[in-house]
Amino acid sequence: SQTIHQWPATLVQPVGSPLSLECTVEGTSNPNLYWYRQAAGRGLQLLFYSVGIGQISSEVPQNLSASRPQDRQFILSSKKLLLSDSGFYLCAWSVTRSVGEKLFFGSGTQLSVL
Amino acid sequence: GDSVTQMEGPVTLSEEAFLTINCTYTATGYPSLFWYVQYPGEGLQLLLKATKADDKGSNKGFEATYRKETTSFHLEKGSVQVSDSAVYFCALSDRSGGSNYKLTFGKGTLLTVNP
Repeated sequence: SQTIHQWPATLVQPVGSPLSLECTVEGTSNPNLYWYRQAAGRGLQLLFYSVGIGQISSEVPQNLSASRPQDRQFILSSKKLLLSDSGFYLCAWSVTRSVGEKLFFGSGTQLSVL
Repeated sequence: GDSVTQMEGPVTLSEEAFLTINCTYTATGYPSLFWYVQYPGEGLQLLLKATKADDKGSNKGFEATYRKETTSFHLEKGSVQVSDSAVYFCALSDRSGGSNYKLTFGKGTLLTVNP
């Protein structure tokens, strides 16, 4: 069966520090991969998605970036965190080009930037 | 662009009460519609979905019917339980223009069920 791992579960970082969140998927190949952010009172916002290795689409301009070095690995990064980067970050995957898209989510990372 | 508008929360109910969470959408094509649920401290998981007009999605006693004429996908449950306390997200996936890779979510509705 397929599983998705996301870590760390919680993270407290000072403003201006770098960020690296990692997500891996097991039990499937060539998934679509996604990073979402859930900010307080603002719902769920798509940040990046990837349909293949090295293929990254950005939905919202910001100081975050994403990379997909391997088929089932998706990394969210920042060189310098801002206060506004605080939020709950969710990694997700879906079957490539499935009709009626269904996402499978990781357990999330609660990021607090202080 | 695509958008989802759902009922603002929080919603607080007593156990065994009837639940409705409203959701309406705007899409350029023929979207699939979803309800996701997020239990405390967890990621989101799919609750139910409908892929075409008049379809009814159902799971765990929850139901939602895809109404194209009113562009709605309201979530209902006849008798809620304390364990249903969670945040509920309405979402759509629009297959027009090759954009079927991603979901557009509503802001979420927090449901609290008291015993």
